[in-house]
Amino acid sequence: AQSVTQLGSHVSVSEGALVLLRCNYSSSVPPYLFWYVQYPNQGLQLLLKYTSAATLVKGINGFEAEFKKSETSFHLTKPSAHMSDAAEYFCAVSGTSGNTGKLIFGQGTTLQVKP
Amino acid sequence: GAVVSQHPSWVICKSGTSVKIECRSLDFQATTMFWYRQFPKQSLMLMATSNEGSKATYEQGVEKDKFLINHASLTLSTLTVTSAHPEDSSFYICSARAGRGHKAFFGQGTRLTVV
Repeated sequence: AQSVTQLGSHVSVSEGALVLLRCNYSSSVPPYLFWYVQYPNQGLQLLLKYTSAATLVKGINGFEAEFKKSETSFHLTKPSAHMSDAAEYFCAVSGTSGNTGKLIFGQGTTLQVKP
Repeated sequence: GAVVSQHPSWVICKSGTSVKIECRSLDFQATTMFWYRQFPKQSLMLMATSNEGSKATYEQGVEKDKFLINHASLTLSTLTVTSAHPEDSSFYICSARAGRGHKAFFGQGTRLTVV
């Protein structure tokens, strides 16, 4: 079985400050991990994904995440927050050992960016 | 990148009626499509996995007779909410898997309100 836990349902940062969104996973098989962003009333946009290649993954809009097996973590970071980064962020793990594309999502973290 | 189109983007219906939501892959063949449901301020929950030409696989707790899924072609899957009730009001999102990779492309979602 696989699961994802996002620590902190709400994160608030000032514009220009570091963004850190936490994600821990549980998986009985090597995981594929994803970060998605969702703007109000819209679908999900893939920010980045880890697929067992490099542990430091760079994504769009200046985001990156580091896979740490020892900590079972896949935290999302961005050096300097922009107002446009305010959104809902979801961490997800690919379910089952097969290549099904089925995703298990965390509960989401709302990122607020203050001017 | 691959495009998944969901229609309608929002719908209001009367209690007891049925609503059909379409999910189309516009520029690729999707052998598998996934249907998710998102309650306000909550994460996405997988409802069912739909494979072209076969019956959908529903997640535990999802009523298959209430949420009818049809995946008649490689570019179209439909979700029909039958005899809708106010508690079915939610945001429904589909995703489509292109090929054997883990990349899942999401539709923009459908906001269903049952009055």
